[in-house]
Amino acid sequence: GAGVSQTPSNKVTEKGKYVELRCDPISGHTALYWYRQSLGQGPEFLIYFQGTGAADDSGLPNDRFFAVRPEGSVSTLKIQRTERGDSAVYLCASSSTPGLAGEQFFGPGTRLTVL
Amino acid sequence: KQEVTQIPAALSVPEGENLVLNCSFTDSAIYNLQWFRQDPGKGLTSLLLIQSSQREQTSGRLNASLDKSSGRSTLYIAASQPGDSATYLCAVGSGDKLIFGTGTRLQVFP
Repeated sequence: GAGVSQTPSNKVTEKGKYVELRCDPISGHTALYWYRQSLGQGPEFLIYFQGTGAADDSGLPNDRFFAVRPEGSVSTLKIQRTERGDSAVYLCASSSTPGLAGEQFFGPGTRLTVL
Repeated sequence: KQEVTQIPAALSVPEGENLVLNCSFTDSAIYNLQWFRQDPGKGLTSLLLIQSSQREQTSGRLNASLDKSSGRSTLYIAASQPGDSATYLCAVGSGDKLIFGTGTRLQVFP
């Protein structure tokens, strides 16, 4: 597609449940990033993929969070045993250039609400 | 640890004014700096990207400057329009990630 797409756009779940958030990057972009944005804050880095591998996962808050990118395109962010504090907008970005050399293009985000 | 601050947090101006939004960062060892626009409930739209070796970038009515040594960037918006109303985010490239400020919420009224 023309831009980064994310599904679902909204997700409401109950505390303790498991959720998966999907990101489709711009075709051909090898770098993919996940960020989390809480209300009134700027996005915070979670994880960076270069190709299929996680080059930097230092932003994942704890072991309930995990992300994969098995074929180097689509990525899934997985959250186990969700907590109310996980409620936020989860943003995905992609870039045609490894690391920070290139511009990052963002998707519309998935708004996660944990009740 | 890199920290990014944006002032003012909010700004309301009449149409036609020229504006300056400020961004400061604590560690001058940055790779680049990017300005984004975010509309309510939407993702981020990239406005300007300045590499660490550059001093400024321009796109239409927007001009962004970068002074690494002082840890500052400014986004200049000329002849503001109601359609410019949005939150403007500054992000510095550090390591292999972007580190964002909390944004400036701009409202331009007719």
